[in-house]
Amino acid sequence: DAGVIQSPRHEVTEMGQEVTLRCKPISGHNSLFWYRQTMMRGLELLIYFNNNVPIDDSGMPEDRFSAKMPNASFSTLKIQPSEPRDSAVYFCASILQSSGNTIYFGEGSWLTVV
Amino acid sequence: GEDVEQSLFLSVREGDSSVINCTYTDSSSTYLYWYKQEPGAGLQLLTYIFSNMDMKQDQRLTVLLNKKDKHLSLRIADTQTGDSAIYFCAQQGDYKLSFGAGTTVTVRA
Repeated sequence: DAGVIQSPRHEVTEMGQEVTLRCKPISGHNSLFWYRQTMMRGLELLIYFNNNVPIDDSGMPEDRFSAKMPNASFSTLKIQPSEPRDSAVYFCASILQSSGNTIYFGEGSWLTVV
Repeated sequence: GEDVEQSLFLSVREGDSSVINCTYTDSSSTYLYWYKQEPGAGLQLLTYIFSNMDMKQDQRLTVLLNKKDKHLSLRIADTQTGDSAIYFCAQQGDYKLSFGAGTTVTVRA
C-alpha cells in the first residue's frame, strides 16, 4: 500500500496567493482528516470527512480556508488568500472507521508564505 | 492540545532507557498512540495500545497504560542516537486524534 499521499511536499508562496494542498487517502479508507502543525499551537484538527462528507470543520481557522472531498480518493485544502501566519505543516490522515483500525498520516505539506 | 499533556523535553544518555509520560482526559478513548517525528519529517506511528490493555511491548518499546489515572507512558530501552526526535502522545476520541504538545528527546553520547 502506498500510504497517504500528499502534494506538494514543500511550497513557498507569496502573501495573497492561492494555495492548494492535495491528499490521496489510503484506498478503502472512509474517513479523512486535515491537521495543521505549528510551533505555537502544535497539531490541530482542521476538518474531518466521513464518506466524503465534511462532519466537523470547527477547526478551520477562517473563511480563507476551504476543504473539499469530491470522491473517496482525493481531497484538497485551499487557502485563499494566503497569509504569512498560515505557514505551517499540513498533514492529511485517513482511517477505515471501524473497530481495530488506526489512523495513518501522510508525510505532510510544508507551506511557507512570505 | 489541552486535552493531552506531556513534558516538553527529555535528555537521555545513549544506552540508557527513556521514559516519556503523558496524561489524557478522554476516558472513553479506544486507542492511545505514540507518534515519532524526526526533524523535517512527518508523523510516524510508533505504537498504540487498546484501552483494555495495561501494557504492550514491541521490541525496544514498552507502553504502559493506567486508565484509572489516565496516564500513558512510553519506555524506550537502550536508547540510540536515532531515537532523537519529538514524541507525541495522542488520544482517539469519537473519530479524531487529539495530540499533546510533544516531548523532544535528545540523546547524548
